[in-house]
Amino acid sequence: DGGITQSPKYLFRKEGQNVTLSCEQNLNHDAMYWYRQDPGQGLRLIYYSQIVNDFQKGDIAEGYSVSREKKESFPLTVTSAQKNPTAFYLCASSMSGQSYEQYFGPGTRLTVT
Amino acid sequence: KQEVTQIPAALSVPEGENLVLNCSFTDSAIYNLQWFRQDPGKGLTSLLLIQSSQREQTSGRLNASLDKSSGRSTLYIAASQPGDSATYLCAVRPLGGFQKLVFGTGTRLLVSP
Repeated sequence: DGGITQSPKYLFRKEGQNVTLSCEQNLNHDAMYWYRQDPGQGLRLIYYSQIVNDFQKGDIAEGYSVSREKKESFPLTVTSAQKNPTAFYLCASSMSGQSYEQYFGPGTRLTVT
Repeated sequence: KQEVTQIPAALSVPEGENLVLNCSFTDSAIYNLQWFRQDPGKGLTSLLLIQSSQREQTSGRLNASLDKSSGRSTLYIAASQPGDSATYLCAVRPLGGFQKLVFGTGTRLLVSP
């Protein structure tokens, strides 16, 4: 079955700790994305990558970092510099190019206390 | 700056009704518009993708229309069922080099038996 997997489903961390969220896809998509979802707000783009070893900041990249060493994988690290990290994080992928639809993973809910 | 609005924020209907969800966007310079469904605590499921050159797309009981010049899209759901209960999100892909989606905040639909 082709799709996007995110792990873990729930993640709890203490303030001041860095945490890495996993995203893997087997759709052979070139482009991958990280979004953040907060109650009452639309999804906001954190980072995106159009190709291996290249990634770009989205609208709210501060306090986050990513890597793209493999086509299938796009992990997101939430650093201690992120002021309000508690949120639902969604990974997506698509064929490269503006016409293609994005497919989303099941999400990771991060709670920082 | 592109903004996407979805009205109403919540909708409750009895089973069997036909219903329309609305999405409006402020800038008509878009590549495409995508409708998603999100169940509580889950990721997004892509429902329909309409390219900017298209007027509508259909999938089963779903029909989405796009009027780019007026900045509007509607999602029509025929013969609604309790299983249609979810939050419906629309998102536009703006023209330009930045490969991202701009999301509305969604319409929460409840279909009662």
